[in-house]
Amino acid sequence: ETGVTQTPRHLVMGMTNKKSLKCEQHLGHNAMYWYKQSAKKPLELMFVYSLEERVENNSVPSRFSPECPNSSHLFLHLHTLQPEDSALYLCASSQDRGLANEKLFFGSGTQLSVL
Amino acid sequence: QKEVEQNSGPLSVPEGAIASLNCTYSDRGSQSFFWYRQYSGKSPELIMSIYSNGDKEDGRFTAQLNKASQYVSLLIRDSQPSDSTTYLCAVKRNYGQNFVFGPGTRLSVLP
Repeated sequence: ETGVTQTPRHLVMGMTNKKSLKCEQHLGHNAMYWYKQSAKKPLELMFVYSLEERVENNSVPSRFSPECPNSSHLFLHLHTLQPEDSALYLCASSQDRGLANEKLFFGSGTQLSVL
Repeated sequence: QKEVEQNSGPLSVPEGAIASLNCTYSDRGSQSFFWYRQYSGKSPELIMSIYSNGDKEDGRFTAQLNKASQYVSLLIRDSQPSDSTTYLCAVKRNYGQNFVFGPGTRLSVLP
């Protein structure tokens, strides 16, 4: 258990559905991340929130909408997804102190299938 | 040039041997380097972090960093079949909150 909890573990949705992924961290960290992991591709950073402000948005399509209501919770709202969006979505957290020795801890991920 | 590069493997070693996994990175200003392992269907698990040139040992694992060559490696001593999985190299940029990952190297330890 890494202290980062993601739900649901698995999600199947149609292209017209709206769903949300949830992430909660119990580590006292102040930065939270969404990564996407597709088959045979490196982990791709989608969004970063530091102190509840979005500090990075890697040209992610608008059908993915993040929300960070506080430093412990992170959501990824999904709507009108495409089959190519099927992937493992990973939430992570770190302590952003501007120091070199910060580490990234992952949740268990949500395996998303878009039909 | 990709930011973080690794050989995809598979790297096959016999049980009990030393497995050597390599990673190169392009951002010369990077300060923090990490090795994760990821079993199939699971999330990445942090094994080692290293911030200074040289070696850092933790149990059967040794991370090596050479910033001049922009190279970081992971040695696994006394490799076990349970070490068979994908190993991800990650680099934290010197600015922002972005941990960049390599594509991973698949290790196979043969009994």
